[in-house]
Amino acid sequence: IQMTQSPSSLSASVGDRVTISCRASRSVTTNLNWYQQKPGRVPKVLIFGASTLQNGVPPRFSGSGSGTDFTLTISGLQPEDFATYYCHQSYSSPFSFGPGTKVDVK
Amino acid sequence: EVQLVESGGAVVQPGGSLRLSCVASGFKFENYGMHWVRQAPGEGLEWVSLISWDGGSTYSADSVKGRFTISRDNSKNSLYLQMNSLRPEDTGLYYCVKDLDSRGYYSYMDVWGKGTTVTVSS
Repeated sequence: IQMTQSPSSLSASVGDRVTISCRASRSVTTNLNWYQQKPGRVPKVLIFGASTLQNGVPPRFSGSGSGTDFTLTISGLQPEDFATYYCHQSYSSPFSFGPGTKVDVK
Repeated sequence: EVQLVESGGAVVQPGGSLRLSCVASGFKFENYGMHWVRQAPGEGLEWVSLISWDGGSTYSADSVKGRFTISRDNSKNSLYLQMNSLRPEDTGLYYCVKDLDSRGYYSYMDVWGKGTTVTVSS
């Protein structure tokens, strides 16, 4: 299963609403996770099962979708949210990641 | 504290071999699927391999199939990655990652080690 993300990068300001898309080459049902990685840090899971917020993750993050099309939304971007975001499918091997979307400061 | 500590990364020539290790602590290692995920310098995440809780099922990316072997020793709380026929494109930071599920799929990766660096260069 091939994973694509769009855009590959975006520039945004604090307070903006940001939307990142992820598409699978075939259905992964809802076995789609979102990870955030900051420079020099290990990735951390934000959303699992397409729409479930991981404990401790701020509610400004939300996920939606099923099948092949998924979206990560950040409602009200905060300074600590500037990072790279990856989608990842856990439905079938190879358990591929998307290429990432880098969110930086406008 | 839940922790994963990788070791074994090194500089190796193309065609060489390396064995990565990961020691787990703070959780019942034998209950969970475990992954290796790598990241080339300045690049994105690439899933490498998965092993189920008992070692009975393993999966690998096409890019490493036939060259890399994942294994585990639950008595030592340890995960391994035997890497043979290494290529320059195998260069990167290799993360040991715990899955929430015993099989390692239909789930997500919830704990990451800090990684160990592999450099394949002549």
